[in-house]
Amino acid sequence: AQKVTQAQTEISVVEKEDVTLDCVYETRDTTYYLFWYKQPPSGELVFLIRRNSFDEQNEISGRYSWNFQKSTSSFNFTITASQVVDSAVYFCALTRGAGSYQLTFGKGTKLSVIP
Amino acid sequence: SQTIHQWPATLVQPVGSPLSLECTVEGTSNPNLYWYRQAAGRGLQLLFYSVGIGQISSEVPQNLSASRPQDRQFILSSKKLLLSDSGFYLCAWSVASYEQYFGPGTRLTVT
Repeated sequence: AQKVTQAQTEISVVEKEDVTLDCVYETRDTTYYLFWYKQPPSGELVFLIRRNSFDEQNEISGRYSWNFQKSTSSFNFTITASQVVDSAVYFCALTRGAGSYQLTFGKGTKLSVIP
Repeated sequence: SQTIHQWPATLVQPVGSPLSLECTVEGTSNPNLYWYRQAAGRGLQLLFYSVGIGQISSEVPQNLSASRPQDRQFILSSKKLLLSDSGFYLCAWSVASYEQYFGPGTRLTVT
């Protein structure tokens, strides 16, 4: 069965520090998709990125970057020069199986950026 | 562009009362639709999903039910609320690209 582990329950950093959010997953599927979502205090989940299992290239979007490593089953998320607006709960998620549109979510990491 | 609406935004209901939460999607056809619940300080629990009108799959046996009377409408219901039904309810949609897009949520408090 699929499983997503976000071992960091809460992280606090001072503004402008870099921070990495860890995500480790388990799946027996050879084809799968990984995701990151942001949940600000307002509650709505915001989609950040999708990565498929055949694409291990790292991705950068502004201050955000993602490191996907199949060898360690990890899909980590780094925020560079953190800002107060980055304070949120971040969820990592995994598709459940071939042809499945359902997602398995991790329990989330609460990030607090202190000014 | 696609948008997803949920209402009401907040709801306070007594134990034993009925519930109806509504979700509608605009700007897309034949989406997959999902209901999630997020209890305070916890992760997301998938409650129901639907791949088409009248097609509902339940993830967890519980006090809730879902219906999809129209292509872009998804309703979450209960005949009698329990205290344990309190939480933040999120509706989401997806198409073939797999990522799900979430609505603003309904915060339900059962008293």
